[in-house]
Amino acid sequence: DTAVSQTPKYLVTQMGNDKSIKCEQNLGHDTMYWYKQDSKKFLKIMFSYNNKELIINETVPNRFSPKSPDKAHLNLHINSLELGDSAVYFCASSLRSSGNTIYFGEGSWLTVV
Amino acid sequence: RKEVEQDPGPFNVPEGATVAFNCTYSNSASQSFFWYRQDCRKEPKLLMSVYSSGNEDGRFTAQLNRASQYISLLIRDSKLSDSATYLCVVKRGNAGNMLTFGGGTRLMVKP
Repeated sequence: DTAVSQTPKYLVTQMGNDKSIKCEQNLGHDTMYWYKQDSKKFLKIMFSYNNKELIINETVPNRFSPKSPDKAHLNLHINSLELGDSAVYFCASSLRSSGNTIYFGEGSWLTVV
Repeated sequence: RKEVEQDPGPFNVPEGATVAFNCTYSNSASQSFFWYRQDCRKEPKLLMSVYSSGNEDGRFTAQLNRASQYISLLIRDSKLSDSATYLCVVKRGNAGNMLTFGGGTRLMVKP
């Protein structure tokens, strides 16, 4: 059973399109995250939600909009995709916002052409 | 200057070798420290936490030097399966679970 699952795993789309990545965790964790890993392999946090409430919102273009319908789900919607959005997007969760161990999903490889 | 800095490598070592990675962090308010491992095209996974007194987990030893803001990971008796990227991770004490990842050090263990 996958603890943190995200879909789709691979996504190729054209500039200007709108796309969503879905994420679900079955660990019963309170906190979920979206991270972006660029071509240089740096992993950077984008958003963090605790019990559906936004607690971290790093400097991310407002074309990126997270949505958490419940604490087990955190989806990422991206409007007007740009070439620079090509990256691997990792969803993750932790037991609580102060938890030390973060569990990552397998990643979603987004390529914008 | 990046908040967490690592030598990207790659470190190419033969099986059985001992290899050490270093990491420096710039934020003196950092309170928790970790090493994560990321295999090629996979997600990062926690390898071990790093404690002030140093800690060991099998062939892996982690050390922290708060005065120098420096973290290390030592791998003894390298196995082929140790080939991966090792990410140094630092957590600030407040503002939620703000983990800052280094760019990773790539290790390749050769037969």
